[in-house]
Amino acid sequence: EDKVVQSPLSLVVHEGDTVTLNCSYEVTNFRSLLWYKQEKKAPTFLFMLTSSGIEKKSGRLSSILDKKELFSILNITATQTGDSAVYLCAVEANLLPPVLEGAQKLVFGQGTRLTINP
Amino acid sequence: DAEITQSPRHKITETGRQVTLACHQTWNHNNMFWYRQDLGHGLRLIHYSYGVQDTNKGEVSDGYSVSRSNTEDLPLTLESAASSQTSVYFCASSDDRTSGSYEQYFGPGTRLTVT
Repeated sequence: EDKVVQSPLSLVVHEGDTVTLNCSYEVTNFRSLLWYKQEKKAPTFLFMLTSSGIEKKSGRLSSILDKKELFSILNITATQTGDSAVYLCAVEANLLPPVLEGAQKLVFGQGTRLTINP
Repeated sequence: DAEITQSPRHKITETGRQVTLACHQTWNHNNMFWYRQDLGHGLRLIHYSYGVQDTNKGEVSDGYSVSRSNTEDLPLTLESAASSQTSVYFCASSDDRTSGSYEQYFGPGTRLTVT
C-alpha cells in the first residue's frame, strides 16, 4: 500500500526562524512528489519534484527530493506570519495496470501544521 | 478565468438522508477527484475519474458514489449519510499528464455535517 508520512505534524516557531518540513514515502513506481500549502481553504500548489538532488526554489521556500532515501524536505527561511498554514506533501505513482496515459493519482500525507508567531 | 467550484459550501443533514455535493470545473480537465479531509488524516481519495463515463474507487469509497456524464462535472453522492461522513470535502481536477502539467487544482471545499 502506498504511504506518505509527514513530520512533524505540528510546529510552532517565531517570525524570522527557518523551518524544515519532512516528507517520507513508500510507493511503487514513483513518478513525482508535490508540495501544497493550505491556509483556510483549498490547497494551493508549491512545487513538483521528480529528480533527486535538484533544488526547487520560490522566494523563501525551497524543496529537494532524495529518491534513494525516499524523502523530501521543504525549507522556509526568514519565516513570516503569512507562512502559517498546513503544508501537504503528495506522491504520484505510476498507475498499474496501465491506464490512460494522461491519468494521475496522488497519495497525500497527513500534513504539517505550521504556526508562525510574531 | 477558468475555475473549479463546489456547492453547497456548507451543508447540515440528518443521518440516513441522501446528499449530493456538486463539483464543476471549466478547465476542460479530463482528471477529476474527490477527497475528504479530517484531522490527522490529511486528504484521502474517495473517487476519481479520468474522463466521461469513467469512475474509479479511491481508498475511502464506501458509502459514496460518483458519475461523470460530461467533462465539467463530477457530483459526489452520499447514499445514506452517516455521522462518520462529517468532514470537509474537496474536489480537484488536473490536466492530462501528457500536457506536462502535474498540478491538481482544488475547489474551495464543502463542509458537511451529519447529525
